[in-house]
Amino acid sequence: SQQGEEDPQALSIQEGENATMNCSYKTSINNLQWYRQNSGRGLVHLILIRSNEREKHSGRLRVTLDTSKKSSSLLITASRAADTASYFCATDEWGGGADGLTFGKGTHLIIQP
Amino acid sequence: NAGVTQTPKFQVLKTGQSMTLQCAQDMNHNSMYWYRQDPGMGLRLIYYSASEGTTDKGEVPNGYNVSRLNKREFSLRLESAAPSQTSVYFCASSDSRGGSRNQPQHFGDGTRLSIL
Repeated sequence: SQQGEEDPQALSIQEGENATMNCSYKTSINNLQWYRQNSGRGLVHLILIRSNEREKHSGRLRVTLDTSKKSSSLLITASRAADTASYFCATDEWGGGADGLTFGKGTHLIIQP
Repeated sequence: NAGVTQTPKFQVLKTGQSMTLQCAQDMNHNSMYWYRQDPGMGLRLIYYSASEGTTDKGEVPNGYNVSRLNKREFSLRLESAAPSQTSVYFCASSDSRGGSRNQPQHFGDGTRLSIL
């Protein structure tokens, strides 16, 4: 079953604006990861945040994690046309038997030039 | 830097046919994974291999078999393809030395499979 749920499902903004995507999940986790998928391509890892971390930055990306609310957000600042893609959150469940990630359905981000 | 390589990129099968999807990684990773991605859905784990010689079921293993041929290669086999297996299949790998789960996964570009 899907663990994460991204919100919104689709987002269209102007180039230069900030984009915020949210992810909610259901169980305790070891870590939460964000991935980007360009059309017709595989997923590319963006950032991993551990369960004991609250915020992490990487370039124009900022990720927050609130384990009490079981939610995370991904902020992309100063968006560019090249940021157009689908973004997925994925969780590594704590105590999970399967050594794999559980993905949400994704947010499709469109950056208008 | 090839990373994770999947073959073929596209395939069309008839119901009941069999085929094997190939995956190889050149990053010396211990763990490898097979996922499927359906329209409007996130990825779902089919099988994974935590190390050479071991394989385990994921969320949706029915209708599939896997082989971890060596450390580099992890194949997925459809013995008798069904239309419900029409999907995009992704292979991934991660560095799980020491049992660390806090590692990113590296994905191939996928195999687009249609079952008629």
